[in-house]
Amino acid sequence: KAGVTQTPRYLIKTRGQQVTLSCSPISGHRSVSWYQQTPGQGLQFLFEYFSETQRNKGNFPGRFSGRQFSNSRSEMNVSTLELGDSALYLCASSFGQGSYNEQFFGPGTRLTVL
Amino acid sequence: AQTVTQSQPEMSVQEAETVTLSCTYDTSESDYYLFWYKQPPSRQMILVIRQEAYKQQNATENRFSVNFQKAAKSFSLKISDSQLGDAAMYFCAYRGSGYALNFGKGTSLLVTP
Repeated sequence: KAGVTQTPRYLIKTRGQQVTLSCSPISGHRSVSWYQQTPGQGLQFLFEYFSETQRNKGNFPGRFSGRQFSNSRSEMNVSTLELGDSALYLCASSFGQGSYNEQFFGPGTRLTVL
Repeated sequence: AQTVTQSQPEMSVQEAETVTLSCTYDTSESDYYLFWYKQPPSRQMILVIRQEAYKQQNATENRFSVNFQKAAKSFSLKISDSQLGDAAMYFCAYRGSGYALNFGKGTSLLVTP
């Protein structure tokens, strides 16, 4: 079974631009979560989607948004990019939403904002 | 909000030796899950081991085991017979009713020959 895939793997943008990252979960998984990883703040939860609905949201500004499609694929969008948005963005999928469901992580998208 | 603390930014161990990584957490919930994830230089997060809070028995996975002390809110990871491939960042994580994983800052493990 294929793992979680994220595209693109690397991205370079300039301040003020917007960006869309994509995540394809493991087949059959319906929950997708997004995390931001930076050297300063570590790993921080962005949001979680289950059955096309945002179920949980972390403490990030409204510039960060996401959505999930009927095939469980998810996208996250960051508008008006800031230098501080440079990070590794990790996507994780799980079969269900409960805490007991193991989350499987993708390889991440490295975003650099210049 | 739940917080996870890893007090050891870096640890070093010799091949074939045993090392213990520390983790403490703060929560008012009684039902939750704890995890140790490994992140090698490739950045791929890999689940090492998980512990259900309602289980008193400590989880083990081959050379990896945990010491779960619920009352003390402590969750340490022991790696036995360390191998060069164990070198990585190790993250302790908590998952409760909010479903999101709350991660510690990580411990960088160096394995020397």
